[in-house]
Amino acid sequence: KQEVTQIPAALSVPEGENLVLNCSFTDSAIYNLQWFRQDPGKGLTSLLLIQSSQREQTSGRLNASLDKSSGRSTLYIAASQPGDSATYLCAVILTGSNYKLTFGKGTLLTVNP
Amino acid sequence: DAGITQSPRHKVTETGTPVTLRCHQTENHRYMYWYRQDPGHGLRLIHYSYGVKDTDKGEVSDGYSVSRSKTEDFLLTLESATSSQTSVYFCAISERGVETQYFGPGTRLLVL
Repeated sequence: KQEVTQIPAALSVPEGENLVLNCSFTDSAIYNLQWFRQDPGKGLTSLLLIQSSQREQTSGRLNASLDKSSGRSTLYIAASQPGDSATYLCAVILTGSNYKLTFGKGTLLTVNP
Repeated sequence: DAGITQSPRHKVTETGTPVTLRCHQTENHRYMYWYRQDPGHGLRLIHYSYGVKDTDKGEVSDGYSVSRSKTEDFLLTLESATSSQTSVYFCAISERGVETQYFGPGTRLLVL
């Protein structure tokens, strides 16, 4: 059974700091890995999707990397802002799973002004 | 934002009553999913659909049924609600399964 772990569960940083969120998964036979953001009381917003054949994806201040062989992904946020405060979730689609996402429990990020 | 709506957005019901949640999309995406989100458990897949009238179970399907009679609507039914089904329910859609999933705003369900 695929398990997805996100460490740390919570992170507090001062504004302007660069930071890294971690995601690990137990089964490397994945189609892709996705990073989402969830604001309190809201739904999930897709940030980045990395296909299994890719090493990284970038969108603005966000950069996500994927090391499938070691079962790890990182989400790098540059020059953090208070508006980045949210819960960040990673999820993977296991091959042969009929495209079902398995989620980690998320990292709650707080960026302090 | 992807065109996904969920109704109702909030519901309070009593144990033993049936409850139906609706997910409606305007994107004509093939795949639709129902998740529940609970503290300490994260997001867990309940049921999903890969086409009209094509559905399958997810990780936590006991006590839930689904139906999809047309592309745009995916219904989740709690046949006899229990307090353990108090949760936030999210619908998601995906065009081809391997692509990005887009999530609806969620339904908060309280079973008393």
